[in-house]
Formats: sequence, C-alpha cells, structure tokens
Amino acid sequence: GAVVSQHPSRVICKSGTSVKIECRSLDFQATTMFWYRQFPKQSLMLMATSNEGSKATYEQGVEKDKFLINHASLTLSTLTVTSAHPEDSSFYICSASGSFNQPQHFGDGTRLSIL
Amino acid sequence: KQEVTQIPAALSVPEGENLVLNCSFTDSAIYNLQWFRQDPGKGLTSLLLIQSSQREQTSGRLNASLDKSSGRSTLYIAASQPGDSATYLCAGDSGGYNKLIFGAGTRLAVHP
Repeated sequence: GAVVSQHPSRVICKSGTSVKIECRSLDFQATTMFWYRQFPKQSLMLMATSNEGSKATYEQGVEKDKFLINHASLTLSTLTVTSAHPEDSSFYICSASGSFNQPQHFGDGTRLSIL
Repeated sequence: KQEVTQIPAALSVPEGENLVLNCSFTDSAIYNLQWFRQDPGKGLTSLLLIQSSQREQTSGRLNASLDKSSGRSTLYIAASQPGDSATYLCAGDSGGYNKLIFGAGTRLAVHP
C-alpha cells in the first residue's frame, strides 16, 4: 500500500526557533500534499494544500509567512514553522494523494513542543 | 462549507458488544466519506472509504454506510475487542475537491 513517511516524529525546541518537518511519499508520486494541525482532544484542521511545483493554498486563518510550505518534488513536501512560539505547539500531520480525488495517505505525525 | 459532526464523543463498552458510531455532514455534495482510526499520539489509519456512488463498504468486522440525502454515515463495529480502543474519525470532502473536513472523533474504549 501507499506509504507516507513524516520526519521527525517529535521535536522539542526553544521559543524563536524555526522547525522544519518533512513529508515523503515512499512508493508513489504525490501531486498533492496536505498539512493538518491537531490540538489535544481536537480533530484535524487543514492548514494548507500544496501541489507539486506550485505555491501552497492556505486555509483561512493560517499565516502563510509563519508556516512555510515547499513542495518541490513529487515525493517531498516540507513545512517550516518559523520563529515558533509555545502556542504553535501541536501535532502536525501530513498526507499525500496521487491525483485529484484519489484517497489521501497519512504520515504518522510530528509532535512539536515549543518551550 | 462542509461541517462534520460525530456522536457520541466518547464511548466505553465491554468486550463483545456491537457498536454504532455516527457521523453527520452538512453538504450533501460529498464525493468521498472516509473513516479513520487514530491511536493516541499517532497518525491516521484509513479504515473505509465510501465514494458518492456507493452506499456502504465492509472490511472484516467493520461496515460503514453513507446516506447522502440525510447527510449521515455510520460505522458499525461487530464483536468489539480491546484492540479496537482508539479514536475514530470520519471525514468528508467538499464537493468533489479532495479536501477533507474532519469530525471531532469518537473516543472508544473497549474493556475486557
């Protein structure tokens, strides 16, 4: 089956640090990747959608200058949380899809803790 | 705008019971309805995907139905086991665009 690898699984860092999270599709080409955020005991909220070679589309309320997304190849997308603060602490999950209306395959998530 | 609601928010049952988890959505122009399982601190495992032309899908002890006219989907778990304990999420897309809107989930605990 389709496998999506997300790295790192956990990050603990000081306030003001920028953190990069990688999302890779291991056995298929992902034309579209999605980034979600999940706060404790809440559901997943879509942050942005990225298509390979294009600028990401951000959901309302998500700061594009804060959460930088790069989808430079068909197998890799990165999310960089710039100048992270404690309120950015959350569980970030990526997913990847081979094409429009194909199912999304999810990574295992990254637990980000900002001190 | 698609909104997804799940009831109940939490459920605790003894092993062996048959369970029904409910999901409702507001936009009937749904293309895919998907059920996921999430273990604590983990990512998502896709359980069942129902496309708009389908009414149900089955996998082992799991059966999911989709009724677009009433805006509802149900996940039926037969003969529940302690290993079924997890949070179950349903998600619907928005009118044919592969953008999933998730419900808040049902936290299931199955005790021996």
